[in-house]
Amino acid sequence: GAVVSQHPSRVICKSGTSVKIECRSLDFQATTMFWYRQFPKKSLMLMATSNEGSKATYEQGVEKDKFLINHASLTLSTLTVTSAHPEDSSFYICSARIPGLPYNEQFFGPGTRLTVL
Amino acid sequence: AQSVTQLGSHVSVSEGALVLLRCNYSSSVPPYLFWYVQYPNQGLQLLLKYTSAATLVKGINGFEAEFKKSETSFHLTKPSAHMSDAAEYFCAVSERRGNQGGKLIFGQGTELSVKP
Repeated sequence: GAVVSQHPSRVICKSGTSVKIECRSLDFQATTMFWYRQFPKKSLMLMATSNEGSKATYEQGVEKDKFLINHASLTLSTLTVTSAHPEDSSFYICSARIPGLPYNEQFFGPGTRLTVL
Repeated sequence: AQSVTQLGSHVSVSEGALVLLRCNYSSSVPPYLFWYVQYPNQGLQLLLKYTSAATLVKGINGFEAEFKKSETSFHLTKPSAHMSDAAEYFCAVSERRGNQGGKLIFGQGTELSVKP
């Protein structure tokens, strides 16, 4: 149980285009999902907390107009990188919490590798 | 504010040798602590978590970690390394209460290499 998927696993796009990444909880409903960014050989940087039915909470320094997050249902959150540039190339990972499960445990998706040419 | 420090960005051991990955945390209240493993180009998998039920926590794949409040540490160990243990390991902390929304704060990660 507690499986989180991401789609696509890998995407290459041209500079200036927008890219949407999906994060789904497959066997549970997630009121809260998290989006992380990971640079090569680096740790995970929390970008934002996504709450179903409300606006996402962005971490300091993350451009909310650049990284649009929508959590429209209890099983789906999306991250849209708008007007992508090469510096947005990174590994993006989402995670989800099971409501009511203690200890703040998060279940992680497999990640999406974004390359902007 | 919470923080996590992993000592050593890279650890190399021989197959069969003891694995010790170090993690120290800073938190104003007793935290939840986690160890995750990440294989190349994959997401994170939970190895174990500390929730205060027991200071010695056993996880998957033969790993365990001991919570030491006096040392603010949560080091990860495994008695005998396998080649398949080669991966990136992350220690993470989360506050038990407050308005953090259950956020995880990650350490910098430690890359474990296992030599034949």
